[in-house]
Amino acid sequence: ETGVTQTPRHLVMGMTNKKSLKCEQHLGHNAMYWYKQSAKKPLELMFVYNFKEQTENNSVPSRFSPECPNSSHLFLHLHTLQPEDSALYLCASTGRASNYGYTFGSGTRLTVV
Amino acid sequence: DQQVKQNSPSLSVQEGRISILNCDYTNSMFDYFLWYKKYPAEGPTFLISISSIKDKNEDGRFTVFLNKSAKHLSLHIVPSQPGDSAVYFCAASAIGDYKLSFGAGTTVTVRA
Repeated sequence: ETGVTQTPRHLVMGMTNKKSLKCEQHLGHNAMYWYKQSAKKPLELMFVYNFKEQTENNSVPSRFSPECPNSSHLFLHLHTLQPEDSALYLCASTGRASNYGYTFGSGTRLTVV
Repeated sequence: DQQVKQNSPSLSVQEGRISILNCDYTNSMFDYFLWYKKYPAEGPTFLISISSIKDKNEDGRFTVFLNKSAKHLSLHIVPSQPGDSAVYFCAASAIGDYKLSFGAGTTVTVRA
């Protein structure tokens, strides 16, 4: 357990469904991130939140909608996804005093059918 | 535009031998470099890091070397063990930037 918890671990959804991914950290970190990992590709930064404020949206399609109600929780709301959105979605957090970059969650393996 | 590149997607090494993983970067503003290790069905975990003021950092069996002029870093694992079989990601960040840029990863397989 890294201190960053992601749920669910696996998700299968149809293209017309609406679902949400959840990320929670109690490490006292102020920045939280969503990354997408597709096979054989670099981790792609999707969104950055710093002290609950979104500071970066890396040209992510609007079918992905992030929400950060507080510094400990981060959501990724999904709707009308495409099969090519199937990937591992990783949440990470970091704090000012961290010399270790990010602390990652275990990820949500998403399959869009 | 991929700023961190790991050009070897896979590496196979015999147990007890050295594993050498390479990483190249293009952004001259990067000043902090990290290696992460990832097992299947788990998120990446921090392995070792190096600041741009150093050219070597060692932690047990793991050593990272940084060549700033070549914009190149490498991770040495010696001796390699079966538990080292995983995907290794190289990452970098610039001064004052919370964001990490990642490479595509290198899958290491340690053969018994």
